[in-house]
Amino acid sequence: DIQMTQSPSTLSASVGDRVTITCRASQNIRYNLAWYQQKPGKAPKLLVSKASTLQSGVPSRFSGSGSGTEFTLTISSLQPDDFATYYCQQDERYPRTFGQGTKLEIK
Amino acid sequence: EVQLLESGGGLVQPGGSLRLSCAASGFTFSDCGLSWVRQAPGKGLEWVSTILRTGDTYYADSVKGRLTISRDNSENTLYLQMNSLRADDTALYYCAKDFGGAQDYWGQGTLVTVSS
Repeated sequence: DIQMTQSPSTLSASVGDRVTITCRASQNIRYNLAWYQQKPGKAPKLLVSKASTLQSGVPSRFSGSGSGTEFTLTISSLQPDDFATYYCQQDERYPRTFGQGTKLEIK
Repeated sequence: EVQLLESGGGLVQPGGSLRLSCAASGFTFSDCGLSWVRQAPGKGLEWVSTILRTGDTYYADSVKGRLTISRDNSENTLYLQMNSLRADDTALYYCAKDFGGAQDYWGQGTLVTVSS
């Protein structure tokens, strides 16, 4: 199985900060990576597919990059609505696997 | 508008069974892959199973042989038959519509609690 490792597990930041979350795959997944945002008590929301394709309606301050085994999700200027938990997921092959999550907290 | 509505969760004893349902609307059900993803209380997301529009199915190792995914295209409904349930199956179970391998629409989840 492909293991997905996110870092950091927790990130404290302030409104307006630029933040980056990293996701590493245990083997080459090409560009087959998605990013999700989850708020407490809510279902996950797809932000980015195929490593860098922003979903319709997702603010442009979010961006994804990377290929192979290393990927990043960047928020260019944090807004209050962005404080949530973020997950990466590989869809290169089955079984699909998620990273353990990165909780973005208000500093 | 895409809608996914799960039902069928509840409290069940270890070794017991449940069948989850997910009623879908707002998209061409038969054309889409569909997945179940679960989240144990306070934990991260865990992919459980996917059924493609072809009917091909895939499972996480932790549920293989105990959980069975199926779909009824005439009723626009996804199912998850859960047998031989264990305490570590306790979770909120989401159904989700597949989009190129990722999941672009999610239901609100149905809670399964396995406990004596």
